[in-house]
Amino acid sequence: GQNIDQPTEMTATEGAIVQINCTYQTSGFNGLFWYQQHAGEAPTFLSYNVLDGLEEKGRFSSFLSRSKGYSYLLLKELQMKDSASYLCAVSNHTGGFKTIFGAGTRLFVKA
Amino acid sequence: DAGVIQSPRHEVTEMGQEVTLRCKPISGHNSLFWYRQTMMRGLELLIYFNNNVPIDDSGMPEDRFSAKMPNASFSTLKIQPSEPRDSAVYFCASSMGHPGGGNTIYFGEGSWLTVV
Repeated sequence: GQNIDQPTEMTATEGAIVQINCTYQTSGFNGLFWYQQHAGEAPTFLSYNVLDGLEEKGRFSSFLSRSKGYSYLLLKELQMKDSASYLCAVSNHTGGFKTIFGAGTRLFVKA
Repeated sequence: DAGVIQSPRHEVTEMGQEVTLRCKPISGHNSLFWYRQTMMRGLELLIYFNNNVPIDDSGMPEDRFSAKMPNASFSTLKIQPSEPRDSAVYFCASSMGHPGGGNTIYFGEGSWLTVV
């Protein structure tokens, strides 16, 4: 089966840097995704990693270590609008591409 | 381009009534997913289709739930009879179904269901 773990909540200060960790267990690994979800809205795609290393996209970066089953999302220069839930998701190849989500990390950005 | 389109956006129904949720995936996407989200259980995968064929329905909670995909541009999720514990946000999502970044899934705005 699949298992994804991430912290329930985090708090950080505007302008700071925050790292949200995710560990996972799966077979047939075909990529790890990070999504952002604001309250009352649908999840929106942030980043994708399938190879080890760091992917940078503006203020957001995502890292993957397949051997450790570990990823993190790094948010720089935090803004109030970054207050949201961040969902780690893993895709595996099982007759299609099945994507399972972690419970999400609620990030609170304070002034 | 239009994203994933779901209807209805909001529905309030009485226990025992049939509920039908509808989804139009992004054109050209060949994988479609139904998820349910609650505070207690997070985002759960109910079922997914590849090329209109159900691949994995192990997340469907019980026989009251059924899903169909009669063609590449339409899917339904039906609950009959509905119960208060079915109250949740139901998301439909789609992806190109290709390896690598081609399996990025994109969500519709969700159907907010309340069963009283």
